[in-house]
Formats: sequence, C-alpha cells, structure tokens
Amino acid sequence: NAGVMQNPRHLVRRRGQEARLRCSPMKGHSHVYWYRQLPEEGLKFMVYLQKENIIDESGMPKERFSAEFPKEGPSILRIQQVVRGDSAAYFCASSPTRGYNEQFFGPGTRLTVL
Amino acid sequence: AQTVTQSQPEMSVQEAETVTLSCTYDTSESDYYLFWYKQPPSRQMILVIRQEAYKQQNATENRFSVNFQKAAKSFSLKISDSQLGDAAMYFCAPKRSSNTGKLIFGQGTTLQVKP
Repeated sequence: NAGVMQNPRHLVRRRGQEARLRCSPMKGHSHVYWYRQLPEEGLKFMVYLQKENIIDESGMPKERFSAEFPKEGPSILRIQQVVRGDSAAYFCASSPTRGYNEQFFGPGTRLTVL
Repeated sequence: AQTVTQSQPEMSVQEAETVTLSCTYDTSESDYYLFWYKQPPSRQMILVIRQEAYKQQNATENRFSVNFQKAAKSFSLKISDSQLGDAAMYFCAPKRSSNTGKLIFGQGTTLQVKP
C-alpha cells in the first residue's frame, strides 16, 4: 500500500522556465492538497482539489500558478515563468474523503530557481 | 481567519527527559480538529497525534500526549522519555471539521535531543 508519491523530488529551473510538480495520492484517495514551505517557515496551504474539481484555491498566488487533478493520472501543480521567490519545498497530501480529517503527506518536491 | 502561534522557535531536552511544546490558536469555529506533525531532517511530514475539539479527554499516543485547553485555545504537546529520534521540527495545525480541507500550520518548534 504505497503512500503519497511526489516527483520529482528535486527540481532545478532557471528564471522564466516552467515547473511541473506531480502528486499521486494514496490508493483510494480522491482528495489532494498542495502546501508550500519556504525556508525556515511552516507549511502554507495553496489549493485543495478533488478529481476534476478545484474545491479551495484561496492560498494560490493569482498569477503563474495553477493546479489540476484529472480523472486519470496524478495531480499537477504548475508554475509558469518561475522566479527566485518560488524556491521552496512543495508538499502534496491526500485524504480518502472530504470529511476525513487526517491528511497523508508525500515526501515533497524541492524546487530551486537559479 | 485562523492563526496559529508556536512561541518557542527552539527547544532542547535531555534524552529520557520530558519536554512540552506549546501552541495557541485563534478560531471562531466551534467544531474543529487539532494535529501535531513532526518533520525530521528528511522533511517528510509525519502525523504525531490528533485531538477532536469536542472531546474533553486529552489524546495520548504512546510517549506523546496533549494538553488541550479549549477555552484558552491552547494545544501543547508533551513528549515523555525523549529519544534521539524525536529530534525534528514540530508543527501544530488546527483544521476546521467543515468541508474545507486545509490545515493551518504554526511556524514550528525545532526540538533538539541531547544524548
């Protein structure tokens, strides 16, 4: 029973490039959450998705960031035209239902923007 | 909006001793959950313990227990018989029990365990 999987684990991009972060939730989980952790800080909520739906994107920056969770395949967090301030660890978590209160975290993707 | 305060950026404890990490939060919700997560150097987020706000009894999970004071909006974590493997950053995180799924994390407390 594999846990939440994220890839890549490390991603290096130059300013202006695009970053795509992938998250495969635990088997049977249809709810995905993305969080961002800046150096020396706690995790900050970005977006909450159910398959084919964005439920809550109140933590997403208004520009350059987007997320999707298609019917088939992993959830994708996409950052266009990355800037140095996007350098952070991005964590994905999943849960089986909307009302389930525990979230299971993946190992994170560390994005470095040069 | 919910806010979470962990007032101790760093703590240290001697191996086998007990340490308490503090957390206060602000919420207008009456029904919610509270979590403590541990983040070791591997950066993996690991759930340590959870507490339902409607329960008066404090949660316990082996060497980990909480002191939940709902009126004071305080949710501290006690680690007994500290082990070297407990060294990590600890985050307090409340969560509304309504439909929204997001956890609100505090700034974290770095725990050092001395042999």
